[in-house]
Amino acid sequence: GESVGLHLPTLSVQEGDNSIINCAYSNSASDYFIWYKQESGKGPQFIIDIRSNMDKRQGQRVTVLLNKTVKHLSLQIAATQPGDSAVYFCAENPYNQGGKLIFGQGTELSVKP
Amino acid sequence: DAGVIQSPRHEVTEMGQEVTLRCKPISGHNSLFWYRQTMMRGLELLIYFNNNVPIDDSGMPEDRFSAKMPNASFSTLKIQPSEPRDSAVYFCASSLLTSGNEQYFGPGTRLTVT
Repeated sequence: GESVGLHLPTLSVQEGDNSIINCAYSNSASDYFIWYKQESGKGPQFIIDIRSNMDKRQGQRVTVLLNKTVKHLSLQIAATQPGDSAVYFCAENPYNQGGKLIFGQGTELSVKP
Repeated sequence: DAGVIQSPRHEVTEMGQEVTLRCKPISGHNSLFWYRQTMMRGLELLIYFNNNVPIDDSGMPEDRFSAKMPNASFSTLKIQPSEPRDSAVYFCASSLLTSGNEQYFGPGTRLTVT
């Protein structure tokens, strides 16, 4: 069936280090992927997205990599800061299903000062 | 822009009561989504609308749940009668379908049914 899952439920990093959050998806027909950050008590906040015709996209301190061969998505955060502590979700938009997003379970990132 | 607005932020009600959650999407957005988030099941899509028309309600748990979007600036999610297992955080999100699929989420309504 269709599912989006994360390899690591929790990730703890030292402030200043780089963080890598991974995500596996199973629907090869998905053509759009997105990462959200959710802080405690708040709604998910858009970080970065990528379409299936790309394999890398960079934002401010964040990079998303897409490997369609193995259906793998990752979010890299450079120079991780305490303010990056949150739960990170990947989501996929299956082709031809309008704006529908299927979310993964989330990874909790904890940044140690 | 004020972003997606949801009300109430917190709701505590007794089992059997009717609950109505409200959402105002970002002005100009033409898609609206209702999600439910729990520790056990994560973030689940309940229903979404395009141009005020329900497109996919396959995530609505059962007939006790209903959603409406009478106009482009307002939507409601109603639970009648409510049950303790409905306790969750309910999020509303909106997007502009033509510019990509990023959805902007509201702050959520934390529902507790006792």
